[in-house]
Amino acid sequence: EVQLLESGGGMVQPGGSLRLSCAASGFTFSSYPMNWVRQAPGKGLEWVSLISGSGSSKYYADSVKGRFTISRDNSKNTLYLQTNSLRAEDTAVYYCAKGDSSDYWGQGTLVTVSS
Amino acid sequence: ETVLTQSPEFQSVTPKEKVTITCRASQNIGNSLHWYQQKPHQSPKVLIKYASQSFSGVPSRFSGSGSGTDFTLTINSLEAEDAATYYCHQSSTLPRTFGQGTKLEIK
Repeated sequence: EVQLLESGGGMVQPGGSLRLSCAASGFTFSSYPMNWVRQAPGKGLEWVSLISGSGSSKYYADSVKGRFTISRDNSKNTLYLQTNSLRAEDTAVYYCAKGDSSDYWGQGTLVTVSS
Repeated sequence: ETVLTQSPEFQSVTPKEKVTITCRASQNIGNSLHWYQQKPHQSPKVLIKYASQSFSGVPSRFSGSGSGTDFTLTINSLEAEDAATYYCHQSSTLPRTFGQGTKLEIK
């Protein structure tokens, strides 16, 4: 059974940082690209970042480019999102999702940016 | 950027009705279009992959069609549990994008 479990969210002041993690199980993690997708309160889904299975290729939404960094540790079956210089508009539930088609999603982790 | 435009944005429907949601892409994305269902306080769940591929465990009343720029999600014989917001998503171009969502209310 595929499982994705996000962690690392919380409340942080503007300009702060958080490292989000996504622990994967139930599939060959290194064989799949992985996405981060976020959803602001009461809003729709917004794609944030994509990493290839090997980790060699990384892509970002313009809204987070230069502030967020995606990475993965295939030996630990874990995906990461380092979020720096956080802004109020980054407040959202952050989901990790498996594969090009995002066919499995975690339960999400809430990031709140507020002073 | 590939813009995905869903219609309608809101629909109130009765059980057993047939529902059609459309997703139009601003450029040709082949069949790299996926559909998700999200219920309140839950994470999205995939319904259809690559425009028309059904996904394991998804009821057969959900089906998808289309290619290029025009796509459709069809729900046959709507059930009360189908009350949710539905999103399309493309994985053909970067940045990846989502439609704005279609909220289905069951009368």
